[in-house]
Amino acid sequence: QITLNESGPTLVKPTQTLTLTCTFSGFSLTTSGVGVGWIRQPPGKALEWLALIFWDDDKRYSPSLKSRLTITKDTSKNQVVVTMTNMDPVDTATYFCAHRRPYNSGLGGYFDYWGQGTLVTVSS
Amino acid sequence: DIQMTQSPSSLSTSVGDRVTITCRASQSISSYLNWYQQKPGKAPKVLIYAASSLQSGVPSRFSGSGSGTDFTLTINSLQPEDFATYYCQESYSSPGTFGQGTKVEIK
Repeated sequence: QITLNESGPTLVKPTQTLTLTCTFSGFSLTTSGVGVGWIRQPPGKALEWLALIFWDDDKRYSPSLKSRLTITKDTSKNQVVVTMTNMDPVDTATYFCAHRRPYNSGLGGYFDYWGQGTLVTVSS
Repeated sequence: DIQMTQSPSSLSTSVGDRVTITCRASQSISSYLNWYQQKPGKAPKVLIYAASSLQSGVPSRFSGSGSGTDFTLTINSLQPEDFATYYCQESYSSPGTFGQGTKVEIK
């Protein structure tokens, strides 16, 4: 059974750096093709893909946020960490991590297991 | 970036109706298209991947079609539990851009 759980601060101040941790179980991030992604959703708005890290440490970022994001993994702890610098009130959102399952020999993929999400509010 | 445009943004419909949601990509994405359902306060749930493959455990009233730039999610005989917001997502590129969502509401 695959589970993921996001943890981190619920409130950050503008200009601060946000660090979120995704702790997972039921799969290994050393399995070929597997990835873990971060997706966020501002209140009442659409989903926005942020970052993705693959089993082989390949990392992908949203072009619009790339300068502010860093994603890393710790396979010994079954954790994926994302940091976002220079937080702003517009970054207030629920942040999800999700397991990415590959298809078509890894050329495509979809998020089949998600954490419950963690609401991060940016306010002074 | 690839842009994903869903239509309509919302629709009102009744139990038992057939619902069709479309998603258009700004460039060809072959069949690298996924569909998700999200209910308020919950994480999204994948329904369809690779444009037309039904995720395990998802009812067969859900189906997907299309390739290239134009895709469709169809829900046959809408059930009460299907009232939700639906998102398409391309996985042709990184980022795997999501559409803006389609809210299916009770008429």
